[in-house]
Amino acid sequence: DIQMTQSPSSVSASVGDRVTITCRASQGIDNWLAWYQQKPGKAPKLLVYSASSLQSGVPSRFSGSGSGTEFTLTISSLQPEDSATYYCQQSNSFPLTFGPGTKVDI
Amino acid sequence: EMQLVESGGGLVQPGGSLRLSCAASGFSVYGYEMNWVRQAPGKGLEWVAYISSSGSTRHYGDSVRGRFTMSRDNAQNSVYLQMNSLRAEDTAVYYCVRDWIRDFFDPWGQGALVTVSS
Repeated sequence: DIQMTQSPSSVSASVGDRVTITCRASQGIDNWLAWYQQKPGKAPKLLVYSASSLQSGVPSRFSGSGSGTEFTLTISSLQPEDSATYYCQQSNSFPLTFGPGTKVDI
Repeated sequence: EMQLVESGGGLVQPGGSLRLSCAASGFSVYGYEMNWVRQAPGKGLEWVAYISSSGSTRHYGDSVRGRFTMSRDNAQNSVYLQMNSLRAEDTAVYYCVRDWIRDFFDPWGQGALVTVSS
């Protein structure tokens, strides 16, 4: 099974800050990686797929990069509504696996 | 608007069974692979099950294989998760998700809470 790790586990930042979250896979997954945002009591929402493609409707301050085993999600200018937990997920092979999540506080 | 609505959650005793349903609206599940993902209280996301568009291929997570069965009825525009031999550790919100492309999930249902307790 492919294990996914994320760092940091939590981050506190101010409005307007640049925030970067890292996701690492235990083996190479090409660009088969997605990022999701989950707010308390809500279902997750797809932000980025195929490592760097922004899902329709997602603000352009979100961006993804990486390939192989190391990936990043960047929020270029943090907004109050970005307070949430962010998960990465690999779709290279079954079982599909998620990272443990990164909580972003404003 | 594309929507997935889960139903069938509730309280069940250890060893019991429950069947979750997921009804799609705003799109046809025909032609899409579908999945179930769960989230235990206060925990992260765990992928549970996958079914191909034809229903001929299924995959399961290690923790549920042999106890859970995913199925689909394209005519009813729905998918299902039959859960048997339930354990306390199966307590979670279960999300129905569409495999948008290449096993990336969009949209997600609102979730169905399953509580396994005596």
